[in-house]
Amino acid sequence: DAGVIQSPRHEVTEMGQEVTLRCKPISGHNSLFWYRQTMMRGLELLIYFNNNVPIDDSGMPEDRFSAKMPNASFSTLKIQPSEPRDSAVYFCASSWTFSNQPQHFGDGTRLSIL
Amino acid sequence: GESVGLHLPTLSVQEGDNSIINCAYSNSASDYFIWYKQESGKGPQFIIDIRSNMDKRQGQRVTVLLNKTVKHLSLQIAATQPGDSAVYFCAEKATGNQFYFGTGTSLTVIP
Repeated sequence: DAGVIQSPRHEVTEMGQEVTLRCKPISGHNSLFWYRQTMMRGLELLIYFNNNVPIDDSGMPEDRFSAKMPNASFSTLKIQPSEPRDSAVYFCASSWTFSNQPQHFGDGTRLSIL
Repeated sequence: GESVGLHLPTLSVQEGDNSIINCAYSNSASDYFIWYKQESGKGPQFIIDIRSNMDKRQGQRVTVLLNKTVKHLSLQIAATQPGDSAVYFCAEKATGNQFYFGTGTSLTVIP
């Protein structure tokens, strides 16, 4: 079975540029989560979707961050304009909503903003 | 200047010994708990879960213990192997579908 697929695996870009991170959740999962991981803060939830609808975006740090889920098999996290402090590893995870089910993570996008 | 980051607890064990990784959770209403393993360059990988109506659950070489009285979770790894070296996270879920992750424990297995 294919797990959560994220692309790109690595992204290096200059500050001010737009960055788009992509995620394909596990087929059949109806919840999708975007996390950011840094040495300073650990694993932070940015936003999550249920049935393609954003449920909680309180973790999105600023208006520069936006996320969409146009269909059940695809989501994007966009940063525009990017800043050096956005450098981190960004993870996407998916799960079933119903009852208690674990989230399954992709291998992340390592983002470096110069 | 010096940057201040999360100070990960560390645990070093000899290959073949048993490992115990501990986690204190914060919300007494949490009803579902998961242990994840994260290797370098990879995402957190599900190991084992437990619901709040249980106090112990066993998997292959792993056992999770839940003590709701003191809000404590532990992961026991039997016969630890070099491939077990990783950072281990506990996660708790209360209401809704949101998990809260601990800061993690770094396990190093000495061959």
